[in-house]
Amino acid sequence: QQQVKQSPQSLIVQKGGISIINCAYENTAFDYFPWYQQFPGKGPALLIAIRPDVSEKKEGRFTISFNKSAKQFSLHIMDSQPGDSATYFCAATVAGKSTFGDGTTLTVKP
Amino acid sequence: NAGVTQTPKFQVLKTGQSMTLQCAQDMNHNSMYWYRQDPGMGLRLIYYSASEGTTDKGEVPNGYNVSRLNKREFSLRLESAAPSQTSVYFCASSADRGSHQPQHFGDGTRLSIL
Repeated sequence: QQQVKQSPQSLIVQKGGISIINCAYENTAFDYFPWYQQFPGKGPALLIAIRPDVSEKKEGRFTISFNKSAKQFSLHIMDSQPGDSATYFCAATVAGKSTFGDGTTLTVKP
Repeated sequence: NAGVTQTPKFQVLKTGQSMTLQCAQDMNHNSMYWYRQDPGMGLRLIYYSASEGTTDKGEVPNGYNVSRLNKREFSLRLESAAPSQTSVYFCASSADRGSHQPQHFGDGTRLSIL
């Protein structure tokens, strides 16, 4: 049973556009929702995270939107750049244990 | 500033061989983790250590053992490697004790088992 479903699997965006990646979860006990960015050959890096008592969190060009009633959260990358091309993973945590989505490969075309 | 260092970076084993993957962090973090990442999938937690001297099972612990040697080092051992353990293994650490919210990852060990 996959507790965190991530979509789309891959995404192509033009430079300057907005990239949107979505995640849906089932367990209402999840209490922490991080996003990770992973470049080829490297380990994931924590990008931004949100707790369920907040509906939105913004850090630079990256924004998490959180919809508790719909059990969904999304990552928005504004003004997408070729350097943002990477695989992005969402995760959800309960009792300290993280469950990851399957990842979205983002390609930003110049 | 090294962060999380994993060795080796690549390894090929034959079925039944044993091996230990090494991980060390220099950030004085309390918690350390071992994950595996299979193609097209997210990371799955194998084992974690909330603090020196403690270890607990994650989502997929079968076939693995771990040792938290000290605060810096957390090793993962495959006693009898199987082809199903072919994967990329990531070690991670976080400052929060037992939060299971990894903050810093190593660059991985790519393990192939023939």
